Amino acid sequence: DAKTTQPPSMDCAEGRAANLPCNHSTISGNEYVYWYRQIHSQGPQYIIHGLKNNETNEMASLIITEDRKSSTLILPHATLRDTAVYYCIVRPFDKAAGNKLTFGGGTRVLVKP
Amino acid sequence: DADVTQTPRNRITKTGKRIMLECSQTKGHDRMYWYRQDPGLGLRLIYYSFDVKDINKGEISDGYSVSRQAQAKFSLSLESAIPNQTALYFCATSDSGTGRDEQYFGPGTRLTVT
Repeated sequence: DAKTTQPPSMDCAEGRAANLPCNHSTISGNEYVYWYRQIHSQGPQYIIHGLKNNETNEMASLIITEDRKSSTLILPHATLRDTAVYYCIVRPFDKAAGNKLTFGGGTRVLVKP
Repeated sequence: DADVTQTPRNRITKTGKRIMLECSQTKGHDRMYWYRQDPGLGLRLIYYSFDVKDINKGEISDGYSVSRQAQAKFSLSLESAIPNQTALYFCATSDSGTGRDEQYFGPGTRLTVT
């Protein structure tokens, strides 16, 4: 699986958009970008995933650059409950290989009032 | 996620003891996983199971064993616990038939080996 690089931490003001970057310069053509988050010692929670097109759901938006070497997760209106560690994960969508997630260090996001 | 439950939630045990962590799910998913998380680090995969008859080692399986008793149950055993197995353990499930391919995690079991 391709490696990812994320900033270790970032702060965000409540009510503002939070933009979380992720570099995955060695991503290959069949690999998807997934985002999970983990709120203090709870089980990780799926947020969103994408291949090459931008994606949006009720939680966030995912912007993937045209060369697919980096992406940005956008939380449009951060709340205090969005304080968590956010993990960017790159893996192939291969049902035969199974859904194995490789977690890196993630970005610790602190939303401040 | 209440659909994935883990027991016990906390456990303190002594070196050399055998211990079993249990995971149950009501989501009807075919795939189940066991991860461990050490303080300040991401999760690492211990074992995963595609169905009742298909069990595979993850990246850190040494010292652990698993049993998939039914589609809904996946247990993790430490045959002889050692202190460096002190960690937070998570069970997860996924459905191979969906397009989202996301995993649902349980609340975790905090294990301390003294």
